[in-house]
Amino acid sequence: AQSVAQPEDQVNVAEGNPLTVKCTYSVSGNPYLFWYVQYPNRGLQFLLKYITGDNLVKGSYGFEAEFNKSQTSFHLKKPSALVSDSALYFCAVRDSLSYNTDKLIFGTGTRLQVFP
Amino acid sequence: DAGVIQSPRHEVTEMGQEVTLRCKPISGHDYLFWYRQTMMRGLELLIYFNNNVPIDDSGMPEDRFSAKMPNASFSTLKIQPSEPRDSAVYFCASSWGLAGKETQYFGPGTRLLVL
Repeated sequence: AQSVAQPEDQVNVAEGNPLTVKCTYSVSGNPYLFWYVQYPNRGLQFLLKYITGDNLVKGSYGFEAEFNKSQTSFHLKKPSALVSDSALYFCAVRDSLSYNTDKLIFGTGTRLQVFP
Repeated sequence: DAGVIQSPRHEVTEMGQEVTLRCKPISGHDYLFWYRQTMMRGLELLIYFNNNVPIDDSGMPEDRFSAKMPNASFSTLKIQPSEPRDSAVYFCASSWGLAGKETQYFGPGTRLLVL
């Protein structure tokens, strides 16, 4: 069975500092991994994904994530946080061996708060 | 493209009433998903369609919930009768190609309050 965990309900960081939002996963095969962001009263927006290839994935708004197979992690990072990055972040996974389903499993979300 | 369109954006109804949520996916997309988001349960997949055919409805909470996709540009999620515990934000999303690999595009959501 596939699963994804976001161990932190909230992450607080000062503007200008680097930020990390953690995500770990469990799959039987190879993972397809996604990060989405949700601003208040909005739907989820795609940030980046890892399907195959380079372990470091660059996405929208200066975000990047590193796929680490040995640690089964896909942490989201940004070198310098902005107040406007404050939002709810979701990690999602699909197992490449899940032949009978196309659905993503979403984590519980991590609220990022960037303070001026 | 206008993106995924959902209506209504807000719905307030009384317990026992029928509620119908509507979704127009992005033109050309062949997958459509219905999600529900609550504080207690987070983001849950209710059902998804591929080429207008329901593929997995295992997330539909009970028989009071039903979803249809009569054509490629329209889907409905119906709750009959509605209950206060159905209060949530309901999202529709669409994607093209193998959904597990491709980006899902979410609508703005319908905020449902059942009194």
